[in-house]
Amino acid sequence: KAGVTQTPRYLIKTRGQQVTLSCSPISGHRSVSWYQQTPGQGLQFLFEYFSETQRNKGNFPGRFSGRQFSNSRSEMNVSTLELGDSALYLCASSLAYGLRTEAFFGQGTRLTVV
Amino acid sequence: KNEVEQSPQNLTAQEGEFITINCSYSVGISALHWLQQHPGGGIVSLFMLSSGKKKHGRLIATINIQEKHSSLHITASHPRDSAVYICAVGTQGGSEKLVFGKGTKLTVNP
Repeated sequence: KAGVTQTPRYLIKTRGQQVTLSCSPISGHRSVSWYQQTPGQGLQFLFEYFSETQRNKGNFPGRFSGRQFSNSRSEMNVSTLELGDSALYLCASSLAYGLRTEAFFGQGTRLTVV
Repeated sequence: KNEVEQSPQNLTAQEGEFITINCSYSVGISALHWLQQHPGGGIVSLFMLSSGKKKHGRLIATINIQEKHSSLHITASHPRDSAVYICAVGTQGGSEKLVFGKGTKLTVNP
């Protein structure tokens, strides 16, 4: 069974640009959640999608948005990039929403904003 | 105060030693997750617990719901166990999400 796939693995963007990251969950999983990891803040929850609906959102500005498609694949978008957005972005998939079942993580997308 | 506190932050052990990493939380939870992150970033889910104890190979995880505390034990530690171990709780209530501890960096020397 294929794992969680995130693309791209690495990305370099300039301040002010926007970026879209992709996450393909494990087949059959309907929940996809997104996280930001930085050395200073550690792992922080961005948002969770279940059956194409955003169920929960963390404390991030509106520049961070996402969506989920009917095949459960999810995309995350960050607009007007800032230097502080440089981070490892991870997604996780699980069967049920609210992470009440085991979460499977992708390898992450490392975003560098210059 | 963080909702999830882990200790210790850093841990160095000799191969073969018994390791304990602790996690305390202050919120109502639906489940507690122990995660392992190796250099390079990939995260692996080790355990998901809502009560009691689970064992997988040399790893044992326990949770005490009344005391809001969980421990991860590694028996007969090995250098390949060197990684960052992260405790995360799935919160209950209107805004369900994963809240993470800061992680424990474990180094096991041969």
